[in-house]
Amino acid sequence: DTGVSQDPRHKITKRGQNVTFRCDPISEHNRLYWYRQTLGQGPEFLTYFQNEAQLEKSRLLSDRFSAERPKGSFSTLEIQRTEQGDSAMYLCASSPSRGESNQPQHFGDGTRLSIL
Amino acid sequence: GDSVTQMEGPVTLSEEAFLTINCTYTATGYPSLFWYVQYPGEGLQLLLKATKADDKGSNKGFEATYRKETTSFHLEKGSVQVSDSAVYFCALSDRGGNQFYFGTGTSLTVIP
Repeated sequence: DTGVSQDPRHKITKRGQNVTFRCDPISEHNRLYWYRQTLGQGPEFLTYFQNEAQLEKSRLLSDRFSAERPKGSFSTLEIQRTEQGDSAMYLCASSPSRGESNQPQHFGDGTRLSIL
Repeated sequence: GDSVTQMEGPVTLSEEAFLTINCTYTATGYPSLFWYVQYPGEGLQLLLKATKADDKGSNKGFEATYRKETTSFHLEKGSVQVSDSAVYFCALSDRGGNQFYFGTGTSLTVIP
């Protein structure tokens, strides 16, 4: 179990640029989640994949945001035309889906995005 | 919609003091409840969970009981240590695990 890996750890970019983050989940986990966390707040759900299918999207996910998980393994989160308000920590988490009880999520260390 | 309300911090306690961090929730159906912990410089880690009413989750001396009648999942520890200093997040998920909702976090500092 190598854990959830996110890349890059930090991203600094100018307003208006596009950015893309990558998440590699734990290998046997078929569920993958993206969250956004701002200072002093808890993680806010953005979107969720079961294998390669994107099953849920939060209203927080404007049309500038897109997420993919093309082969049901790693996932990417892209933000187009970044704005100041996009500055946050972007967290990825994964979990297995087995049994009736909800499985806890395993979180990566996050990608910190700073918009200049 | 579903939500979690968590006791605001920061909380500062002396070593060996009793800890309670309050968490209440609003949910349709029968959610699962979780406490996550974030130690300084580290990512979120699951601390404990409970999946149905009256379940008690426990780990590392921490406990929380799923109370459906009061819609609460308060975190307790009888004797805190300096190493427990961290931010604690209460969370719930819907039955299918399709969405998770987190509280705003409670920062705990334990002083020797």
